[in-house]
Amino acid sequence: DTAVSQTPKYLVTQMGNDKSIKCEQNLGHDTMYWYKQDSKKFLKIMFSYNNKELIINETVPNRFSPKSPDKAHLNLHINSLELGDSAVYFCASSQEVRYTFGSGTRLTVV
Amino acid sequence: SQQGEEDPQALSIQEGENATMNCSYKTSINNLQWYRQNSGRGLVHLILIRSNEREKHSGRLRVTLDTSKKSSSLLITASRAADTASYFCATDLGANSKLTFGKGITLSVRP
Repeated sequence: DTAVSQTPKYLVTQMGNDKSIKCEQNLGHDTMYWYKQDSKKFLKIMFSYNNKELIINETVPNRFSPKSPDKAHLNLHINSLELGDSAVYFCASSQEVRYTFGSGTRLTVV
Repeated sequence: SQQGEEDPQALSIQEGENATMNCSYKTSINNLQWYRQNSGRGLVHLILIRSNEREKHSGRLRVTLDTSKKSSSLLITASRAADTASYFCATDLGANSKLTFGKGITLSVRP
C-alpha cells in the first residue's frame, strides 16, 4: 500500500485554468504538508496542517488554497494558473520528526 | 529563507568509492535529516541526527553533525550505481516548525 499518494501524477493545463491536486496518507500521521519543487530542484514549503488545522502558511499567492477534510487528506486547489506555477508539488506527512513524501505531481502550465 | 546549503552541488564517482556530501545551515536546530530523491520520484528519508548527537550510522551511511560549525556531512561507503540520485539535507527547528531543505547534491555513481 502506498503510504502517501497524490493524484494526478501529471497535470498539463492552460494558463487561467483552475486545478486541484489530491493527497491521502494511510500512516495515521497528524501533520500533512505541501511542498513545491522548482526546476532547479529547490524544495519550498507551502502549507502545513495538523489534524485538519492550518499551522504553516508560507508566503504563497492567494490563488493557492489548501483544504483538509480530515487528517488523512490534504488537497491543494490552484486558481487562475500562471506559467510560474509550473513545478512538481509534493505532499508529505509526519507524526514526529520523520517525513514521508508522496511521489509528486508534475504541473505544467502552458 | 533557505536553511541548508549542500556542497558540492554535483559529485561523480566510480562504483565502490566513497561519496561525501556536506551541508551547512544558519540557525540552531532540533535535528538534521538527509533525504534521497531518485529522478522523477519523491523524497525518501535516509537518516536523522539530533542536535545532541555527533555521529550516526545506518548501513553504508554515516552522518556527522557539528553544531559549533553548523554543518553536517553524509558519507556513503562502497557506493553502488543504484546510489545515483539527488541528496538533500533538511533542518528541523523543533515543535510546529517546518522541515527546510537545501538545494540538493546530484550524485552520479559510474558502474
